Amino acid sequence: QVQLVESGGGVVQPGRSLRLSCAASGFTFSNYAMYWVRQAPGKGLEWLAVVSYDGSNKYYADSVRGRFAISRDNSKKTLFLQMNSLRTEDTAIYYCARGYFPFGEFLLDAFDTWGQGTLVTVSS
Amino acid sequence: QPVLTQPPSASAAPGQRVTISCSGSSSNLGPNTVNWYQQLPGAAPKLLIYANNRRPSGVPDRFSGSKSGTSASLAITGLQSLDEADYYCAAWDGSLNAVVFGGGTKVTVL
Repeated sequence: QVQLVESGGGVVQPGRSLRLSCAASGFTFSNYAMYWVRQAPGKGLEWLAVVSYDGSNKYYADSVRGRFAISRDNSKKTLFLQMNSLRTEDTAIYYCARGYFPFGEFLLDAFDTWGQGTLVTVSS
Repeated sequence: QPVLTQPPSASAAPGQRVTISCSGSSSNLGPNTVNWYQQLPGAAPKLLIYANNRRPSGVPDRFSGSKSGTSASLAITGLQSLDEADYYCAAWDGSLNAVVFGGGTKVTVL
């Protein structure tokens, strides 16, 4: 079955870096755009970044642009989120999600499969 | 502050209908489709409605979506206790080149 499994979360000090991974299985990973979404404790969903199916196009939320980098390795069916210069307000559960449409355009897309999430806590 | 505006809460009795609104602008809901997500307590979000009014396989037809101009709505009919959850609308914003979410609506079954 289609599955996404995040890893790499943990406790990190402000200003440090962390790299999240999202392992995909059960579908042709290289056909779908992939997304990162986070949810701070007790708060709503916040979209962070998207990478196109082939890695050629990437977009970021203003809150993380310049600090976070999304990437993918289609040969390993894995999505990444490199997080630098972490702040206390980056504390959240981080979810990866798959786009609904193969080779779909971002403006038409939806997140049809989500991972279970990985918790990132930024604290001194 | 979320770009899309949703009421923080909505409620209705079992078996009744509840509607959740989502208000946007000419850069997001105006030209683009809206998607709705359901998040049960302690769980990851789940796609409920995509492309304004389409249900993924497995989503009951008690859930329906609509969009008109820069506003959208999600309706739940025959409300059940298992529908108690947070509901989020989302859409692509062409001015921001970003996906924008609503703040979420907590549905309570009275």
